[in-house]
Amino acid sequence: DIQMTQSPSTLSASVGDRVTITCRASQSISTWLAWYQQQPGKAPKLLISDVSNLRSGVPSRFSGSGSGTEFTLTISSLQPDDFATYYCQQFYSFPYTFGQGTNLEIK
Amino acid sequence: QVQLVESGGGVVQPGRSLKLSCAASGFTLSDCDMHWARQAPGKGLEWVALLSKSESIAYYGDSLMGRFTISSDRSKNTLFLQMNSLRPEDTAVYYCATVCETSSGFDFWGQGTLVTVSS
Repeated sequence: DIQMTQSPSTLSASVGDRVTITCRASQSISTWLAWYQQQPGKAPKLLISDVSNLRSGVPSRFSGSGSGTEFTLTISSLQPDDFATYYCQQFYSFPYTFGQGTNLEIK
Repeated sequence: QVQLVESGGGVVQPGRSLKLSCAASGFTLSDCDMHWARQAPGKGLEWVALLSKSESIAYYGDSLMGRFTISSDRSKNTLFLQMNSLRPEDTAVYYCATVCETSSGFDFWGQGTLVTVSS
């Protein structure tokens, strides 16, 4: 199975900050990677597919990059609604594993 | 608009069975790959199973050990997850999700249904 490792596990930041979350795969997954945002008590929401394709309706302050084994999710200027948990997921091979999550909290 | 509504969760004793449903609207199951994922209380997400849009491919997570079966009823546009020999570690919110408009990414999710395995 492909292991997905996110860092950091917890990130403290302030409104207006630029933040980056990293996701590393245990082997190359090309560009078969998605990012999700999950608010407490809610289902996850797709932000980015195929490493860098922003889902319709997702603010442009979110962006994704990377290929192979290392990927990043960047939020250019944090807004209050962005404080949530973020997950990456690989779609290269079954099982479609998720990262363990990054909890983005208010500093 | 696309909507997914899960049902069938509840409290069940270890070793018993439960069948979850996911009623889809706004699209037809033959247009999308359908997945189940789960999230144990306070934990991260775990992919559970896939049923391809052609129904020709089904895959399962390693931890399921052949206990779960994914299926669908096209006449009702509904996805199912039959869960047998349930264990306490299967306790989680179960989500159905689609891959319709992307090649990598669950683009639509249901609200989830809670399964609690406890004696």
